[in-house]
Amino acid sequence: EVRLVESGGGLVQPGGSLRLSCAASGFTFSAYTMSWVRQAPGKGLEWLSAVSGSGAYTYVADSVKGRFTISKDNSKNTLYLQMNNLRAEDTARYYCAKGTTVAGTFDYWGQGILVTVSS
Amino acid sequence: QSALTQPPSASGSPGQSVTISCTGTSSDVGGYNYVSWYQHHPGKAPRLMIFEVSKRPSGVPDRFSGSKSGNTASLTVSGLQAEDEADYYCSSYAGTNNFMVFGGGTKVTVL
Repeated sequence: EVRLVESGGGLVQPGGSLRLSCAASGFTFSAYTMSWVRQAPGKGLEWLSAVSGSGAYTYVADSVKGRFTISKDNSKNTLYLQMNNLRAEDTARYYCAKGTTVAGTFDYWGQGILVTVSS
Repeated sequence: QSALTQPPSASGSPGQSVTISCTGTSSDVGGYNYVSWYQHHPGKAPRLMIFEVSKRPSGVPDRFSGSKSGNTASLTVSGLQAEDEADYYCSSYAGTNNFMVFGGGTKVTVL
């Protein structure tokens, strides 16, 4: 059974940093692209970043480029999202999602983790 | 990268059909047959309903179908059931520079 469990969320002040983790199990983690997607309160889904199975290639949405960094540790089956210089508009539920062999398609998602940016 | 355009809401009575459109550009929807649709109940993980424009993952009822014409993709839910009430999002691969983009979401209400 595929499981994705996010952690590391919480309350952070504007300008602060946070690192989200996503523990994966039930599939060969190193074989699949993984992504982070968020949903701000009352808003839709927004794709943020993706990393290839090996970790060699990363893709980042313009909205968070230069502030968010995605990475993965295949030895620990864990996906990360380092978020720096956080802003109020980064307040959202953050989901990790498993890619498939079809580009830009996610077949499993975590339950999400809440990040609140506020003073 | 602009979000794909979806109507904010759609509705239908039980047993009826509803179709949701998803309009992009030649750089995303029109350029690739990699359009997906996700069902999202608030507080739960999104669920993949359609991939590669019209394919259904195992376990998804055949009441859900997808299609595409030019820069616009569509999701049709036939034989609406109460449990189909949810938010639906389209997404499309957008090439190696932009990777992918979501639509703004459509709230489907079963009357």
